[in-house]
Amino acid sequence: EDQVTQSPEALRLQEGESSSLNCSYTVSGLRGLFWYRQDPGKGPEFLFTLYSAGEEKEKERLKATLTKKESFLHITAPKPEDSATYLCGTPGGGFKTIFGAGTRLFVKA
Amino acid sequence: ETGVTQTPRHLVMGMTNKKSLKCEQHLGHNAMYWYKQSAKKPLELMFVYSLEERVENNSVPSRFSPECPNSSHLFLHLHTLQPEDSALYLCASSRQSGIRGTDTQYFGPGTRLTVL
Repeated sequence: EDQVTQSPEALRLQEGESSSLNCSYTVSGLRGLFWYRQDPGKGPEFLFTLYSAGEEKEKERLKATLTKKESFLHITAPKPEDSATYLCGTPGGGFKTIFGAGTRLFVKA
Repeated sequence: ETGVTQTPRHLVMGMTNKKSLKCEQHLGHNAMYWYKQSAKKPLELMFVYSLEERVENNSVPSRFSPECPNSSHLFLHLHTLQPEDSALYLCASSRQSGIRGTDTQYFGPGTRLTVL
């Protein structure tokens, strides 16, 4: 069964304390791995799509990487405004995208 | 507002009410989606429309009824809901490509629904 698992469920960091979020997946034939950011009470905001193992993409303090089994979202020197829930997902069968439950990131000043 | 818009942003309804959620996309996309998001759970896909044709229906109770009159508009009609239906309802759109499910989905801000 296609599945996406994110860890940790929640992460608390001090401002400037770099860390990584994990997204592990089991799908038959990866057709992309998406990362989204979601602020409370708002819809998910698209960040990245990765398509093949070894691919990396960056945006400001965020860098997403992809292996054959998992993806990491690295956050370098985070700021309080990076606090949000980060979602990952991958296409399943048909028109479905399978999402993880998300990692809630809290960055304290 | 550009991108994907949803109205209303908040809705409180009783179990016997009938209401509708509206979604509009301004991105020129031809696929639209309804998701349900409950606390600490993954997004649950409810319905997908591609070129105004329903292509996914994920065993959603009949008290939820979608409608897609054109590629820019999507509705979710609600009737006789249950308290457990309280959640954030998200609309998304994407450009339909030759490979299903690989197109990036862009989400609206959601409607926070509370069923009393």
